Amino acid sequence: AQSVTQLGSHVSVSEGALVLLRCNYSSSVPPYLFWYVQYPNQGLQLLLKYTTGATLVKGINGFEAEFKKSETSFHLTKPSAHMSDAAEYFCAVSRGTGGFKTIFGAGTRLFVKA
Amino acid sequence: DTAVSQTPKYLVTQMGNDKSIKCEQNLGHDTMYWYKQDSKKFLKIMFSYNNKELIINETVPNRFSPKSPDKAHLNLHINSLELGDSAVYFCASSGQDRDTEAFFGQGTRLTVV
Repeated sequence: AQSVTQLGSHVSVSEGALVLLRCNYSSSVPPYLFWYVQYPNQGLQLLLKYTTGATLVKGINGFEAEFKKSETSFHLTKPSAHMSDAAEYFCAVSRGTGGFKTIFGAGTRLFVKA
Repeated sequence: DTAVSQTPKYLVTQMGNDKSIKCEQNLGHDTMYWYKQDSKKFLKIMFSYNNKELIINETVPNRFSPKSPDKAHLNLHINSLELGDSAVYFCASSGQDRDTEAFFGQGTRLTVV
């Protein structure tokens, strides 16, 4: 069975500091992994995804994530936080085709302090 | 052009009423979904639907029903609304393949009073 665990429901960083949002997954098949961002009063939008190939994936707004099979992790990072990065971030794993194919984590709220 | 659009954005209604939320996607996707997001931001899948198959999360009360007039539309109808139905409801769509992401609407904030 597939599942996603996001460590930390809230993360607070100072502007300009490193952002690290943690995601661990379990999957009985090779995982396809996603990070989504939700800004206040908006729907989710894709930040980046890992399917196959290079394990370091770059996304929009300077975010990147590294797939580490040995650690079953897909942590999201950004070298320097900006105030506009304040949002809810969701890690997700795709478990197949059709049906309820995407399993979302519980989300991590990122706060950015001036 | 908005890829996934849902209306209304806000909906305030009294307990016991019946209401519908409309969703349309112009991405040509085969699969559409409804999610419920509670006050703690947890996303719960409610339905998955394509031309051939409706999958219902068994925890969803049968007061909730999806209705799809065509491939580009998946509306959500709710009967006998209860206070606990207050939440943000998101429509989404995706392609069939495992590596395709979901595209979400802006959400409908439902408040039952």
